[in-house]
Amino acid sequence: GAVVSQHPSWVICKSGTSVKIECRSLDFQATTMFWYRQFPKQSLMLMATSNEGSKATYEQGVEKDKFLINHASLTLSTLTVTSAHPEDSSFYICSAPRDSSNTEAFFGQGTRLTVV
Amino acid sequence: KQEVTQIPAALSVPEGENLVLNCSFTDSAIYNLQWFRQDPGKGLTSLLLIQSSQREQTSGRLNASLDKSSGRSTLYIAASQPGDSATYLCAVRGGGSNYKLTFGKGTLLTVNP
Repeated sequence: GAVVSQHPSWVICKSGTSVKIECRSLDFQATTMFWYRQFPKQSLMLMATSNEGSKATYEQGVEKDKFLINHASLTLSTLTVTSAHPEDSSFYICSAPRDSSNTEAFFGQGTRLTVV
Repeated sequence: KQEVTQIPAALSVPEGENLVLNCSFTDSAIYNLQWFRQDPGKGLTSLLLIQSSQREQTSGRLNASLDKSSGRSTLYIAASQPGDSATYLCAVRGGGSNYKLTFGKGTLLTVNP
């Protein structure tokens, strides 16, 4: 299957600092990528849709100034958690569909963020 | 608003058993349904994708069925193995031009040796 790589797999940061998470499609181009957040024993919740060359689309209740998304190329999207607080600690996962006709979603390995 | 429910929330079986995981969704106007596997602290691995026009898909010991009109899907795992232990997630993609997926909370499967 298609490969989506996410980095880092885990990160610990201090409150008030910013953290950048990268999502790359390794063997296909992705004009659209998705960022999800997952709390323990909970479902994945879509945070935002990352669009190559344009602004991201955020889901209701997600602060766009806190979760900055950049999709500067067809293979890379980044999520920056700004001024992180302990309540931002979570598991963040990105996803990309391989093509418009198949629409099978492939996911990165996820990033465990812990804010102390 | 689409809602996806997975039953049971957790399942523990002895090795070798055949088992069925259930997924239901409230809006039958879906584009496709996808089953994933998630190991602890890891990302999602796609297992099976069923388009809305299909009734089932098979891959090895896995078989997924889809009854779109009743809003149900099942994942059948034959001859379960300890390595099958993981959380299984069901997700549906709605109609339209976007790729948004709505996930269930998953079924935590434990296969005991």
